[in-house]
Amino acid sequence: DVKVTQSSRYLVKRTGEKVFLECVQDMDHENMFWYRQDPGLGLRLIYFSYDVKMKEKGDIPEGYSVSREKKERFSLILESASTNQTSMYLCASSTPLGAGGSYNEQFFGPGTRLTVL
Amino acid sequence: SQQGEEDPQALSIQEGENATMNCSYKTSINNLQWYRQNSGRGLVHLILIRSNEREKHSGRLRVTLDTSKKSSSLLITASRAADTASYFCATDVGDSSYKLIFGSGTRLLVRP
Repeated sequence: DVKVTQSSRYLVKRTGEKVFLECVQDMDHENMFWYRQDPGLGLRLIYFSYDVKMKEKGDIPEGYSVSREKKERFSLILESASTNQTSMYLCASSTPLGAGGSYNEQFFGPGTRLTVL
Repeated sequence: SQQGEEDPQALSIQEGENATMNCSYKTSINNLQWYRQNSGRGLVHLILIRSNEREKHSGRLRVTLDTSKKSSSLLITASRAADTASYFCATDVGDSSYKLIFGSGTRLLVRP
């Protein structure tokens, strides 16, 4: 079974702190994604990575950065946390469409609920 | 705006009844997927239907796709209390092999 793990289920931070959210997948997937989920807004893509050291901005990258130094690990960084970044953060991984017959379905971690005070 | 929009936003049914959720999208797609999310958890992939397919079944799930109307439906038959969750449709962006765009979801409550 594909397993995607996230470093914390719940996290409380103060405004202005630097925050690291870690995600690890064990299926050798090329693609990894960070989403945030807010009530009524569904999932919004923050950043994604299609290879080691490669990253692309999603729909809402402002205030976030990412790091992918190893294929299995994708980190989301909040350089200076703000209260409007209080949210559920979801990490996912996938293989590219058509690679080995895949259809790019995504496998999600359990989520990190971040509260910024 | 969202590529996928689910309808209704919330649905409450009695155990044993069927639940139908709809999804509309805007642009051409390679495939459409449905995911389930239990409260406070990550999403779990349920079923995928390719753009050249019209209907697909998996257990108690039935998905239809109408590319001319840019819409899909998810039917859960003989619902159970354990089906209580949020359900999301997701579409790829036709020229991308990476990204999926998720709708805002349908919250399903199955009353025992």
